[in-house]
Amino acid sequence: EDQVTQSPEALRLQEGESSSLNCSYTVSGLRGLFWYRQDPGKGPEFLFTLYSAGEEKEKERLKATLTKKESFLHITAPKPEDSATYLCAVRGNTGFQKLVFGTGTRLLVSP
Amino acid sequence: GAVVSQHPSRVICKSGTSVKIECRSLDFQATTMFWYRQFPKQSLMLMATSNEGSKATYEQGVEKDKFLINHASLTLSTLTVTSAHPEDSSFYICSARVQDRGSYEQYFGPGTRLTVT
Repeated sequence: EDQVTQSPEALRLQEGESSSLNCSYTVSGLRGLFWYRQDPGKGPEFLFTLYSAGEEKEKERLKATLTKKESFLHITAPKPEDSATYLCAVRGNTGFQKLVFGTGTRLLVSP
Repeated sequence: GAVVSQHPSRVICKSGTSVKIECRSLDFQATTMFWYRQFPKQSLMLMATSNEGSKATYEQGVEKDKFLINHASLTLSTLTVTSAHPEDSSFYICSARVQDRGSYEQYFGPGTRLTVT
């Protein structure tokens, strides 16, 4: 069974204090690892899809990396508007259309 | 990125009534859409996968007679919660798949907050 574990559950940063969020996964035949941002009361906003170990993608202050067992979402010099819950999901070979989500990391960036 | 809309954003209904939620892909055609529900401070739970022109595939434990899904066109899927009860109160989110030459992206709507009184 595909599984995703995210850590930490919650993270408080000062503005400008860089950090990383972790997503550990087990999956039968990775067909994609996904990062989303979710604000309270809103649907998840697509950030990245990574397909193979060694792949990296960047968007503004966010950079996602992927190994065979985990993915990191690096946040460089965060701003208060980066505060949100960040969700990680995997898509594997079994039940191949489904994304399996982790429980998310709630990020709070203080000014 | 692709845009998915949902309507309504909030709905309050009385116990025993039915509620319909619409999900539209605005700038692309979606052969596959997904319906999720999310409880406070919890992650997304997949309820069903709907394919245009065919019956939806429900996840284990989801009552197909209670949560009716119709995907009649490439841009519209609907979820009808029949005979709603307070325990059906939740945040319902739809999602649509964009798949192109080996890349796969899944975009979510803004969600519908259902409150059953």
